[in-house]
Amino acid sequence: DVKVTQSSRYLVKRTGEKVFLECVQDMDHENMFWYRQDPGLGLRLIYFSYDVKMKEKGDIPEGYSVSREKKERFSLILESASTNQTSMYLCASRKGGSYNEQFFGPGTRLTVL
Amino acid sequence: AQSVTQLDSQVPVFEEAPVELRCNYSSSVSVYLFWYVQYPNQGLQLLLKYLSGSTLVESINGFEAEFNKSQTSFHLRKPSVHISDTAEYFCAVSASSGNTPLVFGKGTRLSVIA
Repeated sequence: DVKVTQSSRYLVKRTGEKVFLECVQDMDHENMFWYRQDPGLGLRLIYFSYDVKMKEKGDIPEGYSVSREKKERFSLILESASTNQTSMYLCASRKGGSYNEQFFGPGTRLTVL
Repeated sequence: AQSVTQLDSQVPVFEEAPVELRCNYSSSVSVYLFWYVQYPNQGLQLLLKYLSGSTLVESINGFEAEFNKSQTSFHLRKPSVHISDTAEYFCAVSASSGNTPLVFGKGTRLSVIA
């Protein structure tokens, strides 16, 4: 079974802190994605990566950056957390083209106070 | 670019009644279409997908969806729902060429009432 794990299920941070959200997949997938999920807004793509050290902006990259130093790990970084970044963050991975299934992690619920 | 519209944010339905969750998409190129489901306190998982061929696709738990190119729709249906179908359902689209991310709709919360 494909497994996508995220470092924390719940996280509480203060405004201005630097926040790291980690995602690891164990099936050698080339593609990895970060989404945020908000009620009534669905899933919105923040960043994605097709390969190690490669990254592409999604629909809402402002305030976020990413890092992919190893194929299995994709990190989302909030340089200076703000209250409007309180959300559920979902990581996903996928092998090959867009016809394949995206596998999702359980999510990290981040609260910024 | 692709976009997805899910016309209903919430759908309440009685147990054993039929249900339809509506999804329309917009794209200037050929697409793949997906339905994902998120059960309470769980991650998203693939329910079914349309890639090509037969326009009617089915899932293992009794859902089906029909790709309608002329109406740019991919509605999800089930003839008789169960309490366990209570979940949020997301329609998603991607371009059929290249390696592109999925674009998701805003979701439809299905509540099955006993």
